[in-house]
Amino acid sequence: GAVVSQHPSRVICKSGTSVKIECRSLDFQATTMFWYRQFPKQSLMLMATSNEGSKATYEQGVEKDKFLINHASLTLSTLTVTSAHPEDSSFYICSARQPSLEAFFGQGTRLTVV
Amino acid sequence: DQQVKQNSPSLSVQEGRISILNCDYTNSMFDYFLWYKKYPAEGPTFLISISSIKDKNEDGRFTVFLNKSAKHLSLHIVPSQPGDSAVYFCAASGNAGNMLTFGGGTRLMVKP
Repeated sequence: GAVVSQHPSRVICKSGTSVKIECRSLDFQATTMFWYRQFPKQSLMLMATSNEGSKATYEQGVEKDKFLINHASLTLSTLTVTSAHPEDSSFYICSARQPSLEAFFGQGTRLTVV
Repeated sequence: DQQVKQNSPSLSVQEGRISILNCDYTNSMFDYFLWYKKYPAEGPTFLISISSIKDKNEDGRFTVFLNKSAKHLSLHIVPSQPGDSAVYFCAASGNAGNMLTFGGGTRLMVKP
């Protein structure tokens, strides 16, 4: 089946620094990718929809200047957490989906800001 | 306003028995439903899906039932195995695009 690869799987960074997370669709072209965030024992919360070649669409309450999304090609979307703070520590997951099919998820990235 | 709800946060069953996970939705525009399984610190993995034109889909030990009039779907796992212990999310999508709306998840524990 289709595979979505997310990297890194785990990152620890200092408060105030920026972290980039990559999401690649390995065997299909994804014009749209999605970025989710999951807090402990909670559901997946959609942060933004990443559109290839155009600006991302952010969900209400998500700071676009803090969570920068770039979808420069049909197989790569990146999420950059800028000026990270401890409250940004979370599990971030990307997904890509072909129309009318199931979505495939990346392995997730555990971000810890110290 | 939660459009997809999983009212049971946890479920415990004995190995070999049936596990039934439930999901309710409110948006009548949803036409495609999916179940995902998630282990801690990993991304969700797809289990099974169903289109709104069907009321049942079966894949091995997993069967999904859809009741459109009740806006309810359920995932049956039989027989349940200890390796099935995980968090299960139902998700729904409509003709508005590729976006999935997730339920809150149900933690399934299968006891040996």
